[in-house]
Amino acid sequence: GAGVSQSPSNKVTEKGKDVELRCDPISGHTALYWYRQRLGQGLEFLIYFQGNSAPDKSGLPSDRFSAERTGESVSTLTIQRTQQEDSAVYLCASSFWGRSYEQYFGPGTRLTVT
Amino acid sequence: TQLLEQSPQFLSIQEGENLTVYCNSSSVFSSLQWYRQEPGEGPVLLVTVVTGGEVKKLKRLTFQFGDARKDSSLHITAAQPGDTGLYLCAAHNNNDMRFGAGTRLTVKP
Repeated sequence: GAGVSQSPSNKVTEKGKDVELRCDPISGHTALYWYRQRLGQGLEFLIYFQGNSAPDKSGLPSDRFSAERTGESVSTLTIQRTQQEDSAVYLCASSFWGRSYEQYFGPGTRLTVT
Repeated sequence: TQLLEQSPQFLSIQEGENLTVYCNSSSVFSSLQWYRQEPGEGPVLLVTVVTGGEVKKLKRLTFQFGDARKDSSLHITAAQPGDTGLYLCAAHNNNDMRFGAGTRLTVKP
């Protein structure tokens, strides 16, 4: 079956502009995670969705970052008024309910803020 | 402060050599995962270890979970160029998932 997909694969934007990143999880996966990975670094947790529960937003670095998820499907991560330090690869992962420790990742969106 | 400390940060070896990388923490975890990430791709899950002292083998890769469930090691026997990548450990407690910074392995032919 299809894996996790993310779009766009690459995004170049000017400082101060808003960007929206999309994630399509694996069908049937109720849990969805967003991570940020700076060049040469590990993964930084951003936000977690589980079914219809309130999302865990504890990893969002500032109020410029927000994310939404419609039911158990598509999620969008929005970054407002982008800054150069937002440049990174943004990874999305999904998992089955009760197995959130086994995550399946998309290829990521590489964001470059100029 | 990194919840999970991975070492070494970088490792470059010749094909055929053996290696071990480590993942350490002061916290106890319900489970620990190892992922491998290749350039331009997302991480791919290799293994989950749950029980203290558990050892799992995946072909030439041997994973061990510490007795106290605070640390883990990954041993690769007879490394091949295809093993090149970023090896990430991740630890899970309930729905809280955290990743280490990774060990970047290069295997030269």
